[in-house]
Amino acid sequence: QSAPTQAASVSGSPGQSVTISCTGTSSDIGGNNFVSWYQQHPGRAPKLVISEVRNRPSGVSHRFSGSKSGNTASLTIAGLQAEDEADYYCCAYVNTNGFDVVFGGGTKLTVL
Amino acid sequence: EVQLVQSGAEVKKPGESLKISCQASGYIFTNFWIGWVRQMPGKGLEWMGLIFPADSTTKYSPSFQGQVTVSVDTSLHTAYLQLSSLKASDTAFYYCARPTWGAADYWGQGTLVTVSS
Repeated sequence: QSAPTQAASVSGSPGQSVTISCTGTSSDIGGNNFVSWYQQHPGRAPKLVISEVRNRPSGVSHRFSGSKSGNTASLTIAGLQAEDEADYYCCAYVNTNGFDVVFGGGTKLTVL
Repeated sequence: EVQLVQSGAEVKKPGESLKISCQASGYIFTNFWIGWVRQMPGKGLEWMGLIFPADSTTKYSPSFQGQVTVSVDTSLHTAYLQLSSLKASDTAFYYCARPTWGAADYWGQGTLVTVSS
């Protein structure tokens, strides 16, 4: 299966909101609600920030929210802070009998 | 507390083989899939393979099928990733992670594999 598409980079100023999109197909993002998002700082392991489209794990800031429309999932970060500067990856669960998870290409978020 | 602890960094020569480990604790090991993710230098995340420890059912990404082997030792609560015939292009960080319906809520710290002559 092909990877969902993400913009290579986005940027925003402190206090602003930014939205990162992840576009797939009806076989993955559009076909179920098992979309997750990960934050990765340089040299660190990825961290789950959103599961099942919009669920925020315990300990993740309320500034992070997720949504989905059709074949596109979105991660919105409100009230940008310097610490939010990181790479963000979506992950889709694929409706198939074969290998069933695939990451998007990743988006570099720069806080100006 | 759930933890995934990976084996340390490795330096290998082209053509050699390697097996890296991921020891799980803090949950019932056999109840959850565990998988491996590759991250090449400066690149994105790629799922490689998954295994269900209770019955060793495995799934491999088409990109990695035949290139890697995922296994477990349930007595040690440990998952393994075996890489054979290493090439310079296998130089990467390798992470283990615990996915539930695709959402990996716990990750290992990563193992850096360097392949160089």
